[in-house]
Amino acid sequence: DSGVTQTPKHLITATGQRVTLRCSPRSGDLSVYWYQQSLDQGLQFLIQYYNGEERAKGNILERFSAQQFPDLHSELNLSSLELGDSALYFCASSVPETAGDTGELFFGEGSRLTVL
Amino acid sequence: AQTVTQSQPEMSVQEAETVTLSCTYDTSENNYYLFWYKQPPSRQMILVIRQEAYKQQNATENRFSVNFQKAAKSFSLKISDSQLGDTAMYFCAFISNYGGSQGNLIFGKGTKLSVKP
Repeated sequence: DSGVTQTPKHLITATGQRVTLRCSPRSGDLSVYWYQQSLDQGLQFLIQYYNGEERAKGNILERFSAQQFPDLHSELNLSSLELGDSALYFCASSVPETAGDTGELFFGEGSRLTVL
Repeated sequence: AQTVTQSQPEMSVQEAETVTLSCTYDTSENNYYLFWYKQPPSRQMILVIRQEAYKQQNATENRFSVNFQKAAKSFSLKISDSQLGDTAMYFCAFISNYGGSQGNLIFGKGTKLSVKP
């Protein structure tokens, strides 16, 4: 158990709909990362938050948005869903930068999104 | 831009034998970390082994060891005494660390390893 919790584990929805994926990082971790894993694109970095602020942006579509709340949990919002958005969405968290430099990210079990 | 390349999409090995998975990366950074993650059918991403770029000594974790060649930007994973439970996708990954600020994890495309009885 990595200590990172993601909900829901599975989600089936229709094109055009909007969904929200939730992530609770490990206790004490300030950084949250979102990744998308699909068969054709592999593991793609979407976005990173650090202590509530956006730190880095990767290949995140404009239809997608995220935020990190004061209690450090994060949500990834996916809107106007398309068939190609079907993927496994991972959240990961990491040790605060000043608290030990291991570079390691701890992953949740992922949320499997299926768009029909 | 940093990239990670895994040139072996699939590999297989007999139980109890040794297998080596290849990984090369490209970066202009001097401070970074390299990882091998395992993703079994359960889909959980599990850290197998980690290597700090500033350490010349190759990392070892039980049956798993790496051959880190910094000049060649090569980072291969050796699995000794392969077990059926090692069957999984293996991802090589890179994360930079400059000025104390950690970047995001960049993954290779993965190598699907099958351990045969």
